[in-house]
Amino acid sequence: NAGVTQTPKFRILKIGQSMTLQCTQDMNHNYMYWYRQDPGMGLKLIYYSVGAGITDKGEVPNGYNVSRSTTEDFPLRLELAAPSQTSVYFCASSLDSNQPQHFGDGTRLSIL
Amino acid sequence: QKEVEQNSGPLSVPEGAIASLNCTYSDRVSQSFFWYRQYSGKSPELIMSIYSNGDKEDGRFTAQLNKASQYVSLLIRDSQPSDSATYLCAVKGLGNEKLTFGTGTRLTIIP
Repeated sequence: NAGVTQTPKFRILKIGQSMTLQCTQDMNHNYMYWYRQDPGMGLKLIYYSVGAGITDKGEVPNGYNVSRSTTEDFPLRLELAAPSQTSVYFCASSLDSNQPQHFGDGTRLSIL
Repeated sequence: QKEVEQNSGPLSVPEGAIASLNCTYSDRVSQSFFWYRQYSGKSPELIMSIYSNGDKEDGRFTAQLNKASQYVSLLIRDSQPSDSATYLCAVKGLGNEKLTFGTGTRLTIIP
């Protein structure tokens, strides 16, 4: 039972670099979400998707992009990394919006 | 007013006692409610979901929902040191595709 898998687990980037955080789920869930969590803070929604080909902005989308070409995958892209994007990123999925979200283990990203 | 409010704590409870965690929400037509536990450095894991007024029990955990008063609570009976974590309340409103999370309550069980 893999559930929600995120890669990489850790990454250090230099300012201005770009990278893609990978997220895949094997539960055939329609809904997928990206959150960031800063130290001692709550979860902030970056982007979400209700199905393949459909994405929408969350609370803090600036500086990020997403795509959803398949049900399983929902990558998050940082185009020009900034120190303010240093955070822990969590991907989650759910069968529908009323069902619980299941989280991946997270990606710890530092921008230096 | 925040959409979902929790007391940030820390809440300290002796081992074996009942821990009571509270959450209030502002959207009167919210319909789905969840409690997550998050250990330090780990991802949130689902503890309980509740959709109807009243109590829902699962082992040592009881979720209580009162839609008229717009609050949801989590009781942990016979608290154990392993229950020490941050507990996140999450609420979904009617017609909303997203969950709104509270900032969490940090719970410490004292041996």
